[in-house]
Amino acid sequence: EAQVTQNPRYLITVTGKKLTVTCSQNMNHEYMSWYRQDPGLGLRQIYYSMNVEVTDKGDVPEGYKVSRKEKRNFPLILESPSPNQTSLYFCASTRGRGSYEQYFGPGTRLTVT
Amino acid sequence: QQQVKQSPQSLIVQKGGISIINCAYENTAFDYFPWYQQFPGKGPALLIAIRPDVSEKKEGRFTISFNKSAKQFSLHIMDSQPGDSAAYFCAAKGNSGSRLTFGEGTQLTVNP
Repeated sequence: EAQVTQNPRYLITVTGKKLTVTCSQNMNHEYMSWYRQDPGLGLRQIYYSMNVEVTDKGDVPEGYKVSRKEKRNFPLILESPSPNQTSLYFCASTRGRGSYEQYFGPGTRLTVT
Repeated sequence: QQQVKQSPQSLIVQKGGISIINCAYENTAFDYFPWYQQFPGKGPALLIAIRPDVSEKKEGRFTISFNKSAKQFSLHIMDSQPGDSAAYFCAAKGNSGSRLTFGEGTQLTVNP
């Protein structure tokens, strides 16, 4: 089944404890993105990647890191999480140039206390 | 600064009624306008999309109306059903890459 998977689905952590949220897609898509979803703000892009080793900042990149060492994986790293990063996070992938439909993962609900 | 403004924030419609959600954008370089539907506990999924060279696109009960001069577009759901109850997000894409800018979202409830 073609899909985007994220792990974990739920995570409660404490301020300053480094964490990684994994994202993997099995559709051989070139583009991948991370979004955060907050009530009243919609989805805001954190980082995106147009290919392996090619990443760029989105609208709200502060406090986040990403890497794209393999085409299928695009992990999101919070090196020192803070309570304002409590949110619902979505990974998404797009086939590539000329294709615009984004396929979203199921989401990761993160709580930072 | 929100480049895509969406309204209303929430909408309650009776079964069989018409649901209308509106979006306005500022960036004239946007060239692709999708609507995404999101059910609780799920990621958003593409519902319907339009390019600015047409004024309307219809797929089943869902229609996008697009007004380029006013920089506005809207989603119309005809014969709304309880199964349409979900969050709806409009979005816009610039003319480079695949980055999407999303609106704030609308929570639609269709009462039986």
